[in-house]
Amino acid sequence: QVQLVQSGAEVKKPGASVKVSCKASGYTFTGYDINWVRQATGQGLEWMGLINPGTGNTGYAQKFQGRFTMTTDTSISTAYMELSSLRSEDTAVYYCSRGDSWGQGTLVTVSS
Amino acid sequence: EIVLTQSPGTLSLSPGERATLSCRASQSVRNNYLSWYQQKPGQAPRLLIYGASIRATGIPDRFTGSGSGTDFTLTISRLEPEDFAVYYCQQYGSSPYTFGQGTKLEIK
Repeated sequence: QVQLVQSGAEVKKPGASVKVSCKASGYTFTGYDINWVRQATGQGLEWMGLINPGTGNTGYAQKFQGRFTMTTDTSISTAYMELSSLRSEDTAVYYCSRGDSWGQGTLVTVSS
Repeated sequence: EIVLTQSPGTLSLSPGERATLSCRASQSVRNNYLSWYQQKPGQAPRLLIYGASIRATGIPDRFTGSGSGTDFTLTISRLEPEDFAVYYCQQYGSSPYTFGQGTKLEIK
């Protein structure tokens, strides 16, 4: 069955960077876009961007352009997101998603 | 950017009742690429509907998506206890693939 398994929770200081991984299994990794979505505590879902693992093409929400990078390693069916220049407002659960299947979420806490 | 506005913000109903959730887009959603998700506390969202009206795999037929262009509706015909959750619409017709702010369906 389709599964997306994300890396564990992170605690970072303001100004630092964080990299979250999302390992896919149960399907052809290069055949589906991977989306990244975040959710602050008690808030709604916020789409950050997507990457096509087959082509490497990306699409970013303008809000995150410049400090948000998505990559993939097709040899291990894994997608990555990296967010830099972290601030307290970036504290949230970060999800990878194929649309019909979602990772379990990774809590990123930004605190001094 | 397409802004999605969901209404109502909170819907209070009893099990067995019918729920109607609305999602209105600020401009037409290309190809009616509109999805509905259900999210329960502490869980990832679950895809219910895509393409405005196509039920995702394993989704009970009490969930129905309808609409086109700028107006979309999710109807739950007879509420079960497990249906009380937050529901989000998302458009994926034009980047950025925006979400609505959500409708909380609570037990009356």
